[in-house]
Amino acid sequence: AQTVTQSQPEMSVQEAETVTLSCTYDTSESDYYLFWYKQPPSRQMILVIRQEAYKQQNATENRFSVNFQKAAKSFSLKISDSQLGDAAMYFCAASGNTPLVFGKGTRLSVIA
Amino acid sequence: DARVTQTPRHKVTEMGQEVTMRCQPILGHNTVFWYRQTMMQGLELLAYFRNRAPLDDSGMPKDRFSAEMPDATLATLKIQPSEPRDSAVYFCASGLATTGLWNEKLFFGSGTQLSVL
Repeated sequence: AQTVTQSQPEMSVQEAETVTLSCTYDTSESDYYLFWYKQPPSRQMILVIRQEAYKQQNATENRFSVNFQKAAKSFSLKISDSQLGDAAMYFCAASGNTPLVFGKGTRLSVIA
Repeated sequence: DARVTQTPRHKVTEMGQEVTMRCQPILGHNTVFWYRQTMMQGLELLAYFRNRAPLDDSGMPKDRFSAEMPDATLATLKIQPSEPRDSAVYFCASGLATTGLWNEKLFFGSGTQLSVL
C-alpha cells in the first residue's frame, strides 16, 4: 500500500515569484508513478505533471517542474513565475500496482 | 475536448432517500474510478473498474453503497439509504490502462456535490 503526505496545509506566493510544494510518499513497490493535480475553486481536478519513478530526469511542464528524490521518497512541485490563476489546492498522488492514492493537499494562494 | 461527464452537479436530499450519481467516461477509456472528497478525509477511492469489470470496491460501505457499469458509456454510484455523513463531493475519473501498472493519466469529472440533510 502507498501513502502520500503533504506537510504544508497552506502556502502563499507573490505573483511572478517561485514557490515549492512538498510531498513525501511511502511505497514498497519498485515501479510506480507520481502525480501532481491542481483543484481550482471550480472543483475540477486537473493533472499538472507526472513522473515515472524509473526515470532519473525530473519532469517539466512549462512553468511547473518537480524535484524527484527517489531515495528520500520526496516529490516536490516547483511553480515558477507564479500567476493569479495558479491559486488552487494542489494534490500529490502516487500509483503503482494500485490506483491513485492522494495526499491531503496544499492550498496555494497567489498575492498580487 | 473529450471529458468525463458527471450528473447531477449538485444534489440535496433527505436522510434515508436513495441517491444515484452518473458518470459518462471518455470514449475509449477502459478504466473508471469513483472517489469521494471531504475536508476531513481528503480524496478516498471508493471503487474502480477495468473493462467494465469491478476490480475493487473495498473503499465503499457495502451495506449502503453500490457501483456498477451497465455499459461502457455509463458508470453509476448509488447510495441507499443515504445518511448525513455521506455528504461530500463524489468524483468520477476515467483513464486508458495499457499495462499492469496504474500509471495512466486520469481525467476527472466535475464532481457531484451531495448534501444529505
